[in-house]
Amino acid sequence: EVRLVESGGDLVQPGGSLRLSCVGSGFTFSTFAMTWVRQAPGKGLEWLSYISESFSPIFYADSVKGRFTVSRDNAKNSLYLQMNSLRAEDTAVYYCARGFGTSWFYLWGQGTLVTVSS
Amino acid sequence: QAVVTQEPSLTVSPGGTVTLTCGSSTGAVTSGHYCYWFQQKPGQAPRTLIYDTTNKHSWTPARFSGSLLGGKAALTLSGAQPEDEAEYYCFLSYTDTWVFGGGTRLTVL
Repeated sequence: EVRLVESGGDLVQPGGSLRLSCVGSGFTFSTFAMTWVRQAPGKGLEWLSYISESFSPIFYADSVKGRFTVSRDNAKNSLYLQMNSLRAEDTAVYYCARGFGTSWFYLWGQGTLVTVSS
Repeated sequence: QAVVTQEPSLTVSPGGTVTLTCGSSTGAVTSGHYCYWFQQKPGQAPRTLIYDTTNKHSWTPARFSGSLLGGKAALTLSGAQPEDEAEYYCFLSYTDTWVFGGGTRLTVL
């Protein structure tokens, strides 16, 4: 089965750090670009980051630039999002998505919840 | 940063036709914005319906279509079904940044 599974979401204090993972299965992970998107409770979708299948280019939304770092380990079929200096407004469900052809969003994961609170 | 605007809510009758639009604060939406449309139901991940303004994925119902209309991107639903009740988001590409619209809550009633 072709799927993406996010993990790593947790309750973290403001100023803390967290690393999210997204594991792909059922396809050749190394050949697809990947994207992170989040959704705050009751709010809309927000694009966060993109990493190409060849590790470059990488793009970030202004809201997370300098705090979040995207990476991938193709040998482990894994995408990561290192999140530092977390704020209350980073509280959200975080989704990863896989591209296909010119579509960035061919396959979505089910999301993982990050809560930033003291 | 660019702001992408959508109707907050729309209502369509079963079997009816409705058009959702997606505008940009920077001016007219063109094919160069590579517009996407997503459907999201409560408690579920988004599902991609349209990419690159008009292209459908294999799972996209034929009753959905994407276009450019009057300087905006548009998603037209022809022959609405009860299962089409959902939140719909558009997504536009700019130079080195990408922005979602605020979403349109579509009610089929």
